[in-house]
Parts: sequence; structure tokens; C-alpha cells
Amino acid sequence: KNEVEQSPQNLTAQEGEFITINCSYSVGISALHWLQQHPGGGIVSLFMLSSGKKKHGRLIATINIQEKHSSLHITASHPRDSAVYICAVSGSPAHTGANSKLTFGKGITLSVRP
Amino acid sequence: KAGVTQTPRYLIKTRGQQVTLSCSPISGHRSVSWYQQTPGQGLQFLFEYFSETQRNKGNFPGRFSGRQFSNSRSEMNVSTLELGDSALYLCASSSQPTNNEQFFGPGTRLTVL
Repeated sequence: KNEVEQSPQNLTAQEGEFITINCSYSVGISALHWLQQHPGGGIVSLFMLSSGKKKHGRLIATINIQEKHSSLHITASHPRDSAVYICAVSGSPAHTGANSKLTFGKGITLSVRP
Repeated sequence: KAGVTQTPRYLIKTRGQQVTLSCSPISGHRSVSWYQQTPGQGLQFLFEYFSETQRNKGNFPGRFSGRQFSNSRSEMNVSTLELGDSALYLCASSSQPTNNEQFFGPGTRLTVL
């Protein structure tokens, strides 16, 4: 079983829809990262969070440490949101020197149709 | 501030050759991490450097190595290339190694023939 699981694997939505992408992890972590990758390879860090909720524009990320689960929500989706969304975790606070190593989920390909 | 830069952007090599990739972090960032991305395995951590010291290493063979210079620029080297080394190699920098947001470069696309 992968340490980081994402669902659904692929997602197609209509412009304007509310989208939710999920991430579950099985290890202790110090932080969870949401990344966005567009065709061509460039990766952008969207959020880094260790508790609660963060909001940036139309994007909202939440994390539940007890349930080892995080969600990324996109409100009023737009075709330019089409990308691969990757969840990654960085190590347990108990691991000396290991906090910065990222373990990645497989990513979810989102297509938003106009 | 300029972003993370990686050179070269594209590279074609043949089996058995060796290759060196370069990464210049954001000015002031002292931590550099390297990742390999393939269609089959996704993103995998290679290693991380901070202040010229390797702090973490992923599960890759010894053919993969790296180093960091006093100006925080980093290089990674792959010797005796195999077909399976074809991948997008990404580096990311952060100001500190612990729980900091990472800023990714555009990547180097390596093709091994």
C-alpha cells in the first residue's frame, strides 16, 4: 500500500463546478503539501499545511491529522485549472533530519471543460 | 527574485554514458532537493542538500550522486546510464530544510537511448 493515496484518479468537470480532490496518508507527518503540475512539467506549490484549513483565491485546502486525510477544493472551476494535482507529505517530527523529504501521491489529472 | 533554474532543459544520452545536471536555487535559499519523475513511478525523492551537506537520500542506486557548492548551487550526476533513467529530473529549493515550502525548477528532461 502506498504511503500517500489520492482519489479519484482522474476527474473531469464542467466549468463553474465545485471540485474536491482527496488525499489519504498512512504515516506520521509534519506537513502536507498540495502541488500543481501543468503539461510541460512545471510544478507549483499551492499549499503547505500541518493543521486546519488554508485558502488562496478559489482554492481551499483542509487537513484532518487524526484521520490522516486532506482535501483540496476548487470553487468556480475554470479550464485553466486543468492540471495534475499532487499530494505530498513530509516526514514525521520524530524522524531526525527527515522532515524535508517529500513522499508523493500518484497525482490526479483534472480536466475542466468550458 | 529569480526562480529556481535548471540546466540543461533537455538532454539525450546513450546507455553507459554519464550525465551531470545543474540546479541554481532561489537567491538566499540554502536547501536543495532533487526528484525523479517517471510515468510509471511518479515523483520520487532522490536527495537533499543543505549547506553543502547531504541530509537525506532516497532509495536510488549509487550511480546517482549529488553535491552542493558554497553558493548553494547543486549538481546531480548519474553514471552508467540505463534506459530506465529516462525521466524528468526536478530540483526544488527552500530557505530551510525543515517543513518549508519548496519552490520547483522547470526540470531537466533526460532521454537515454
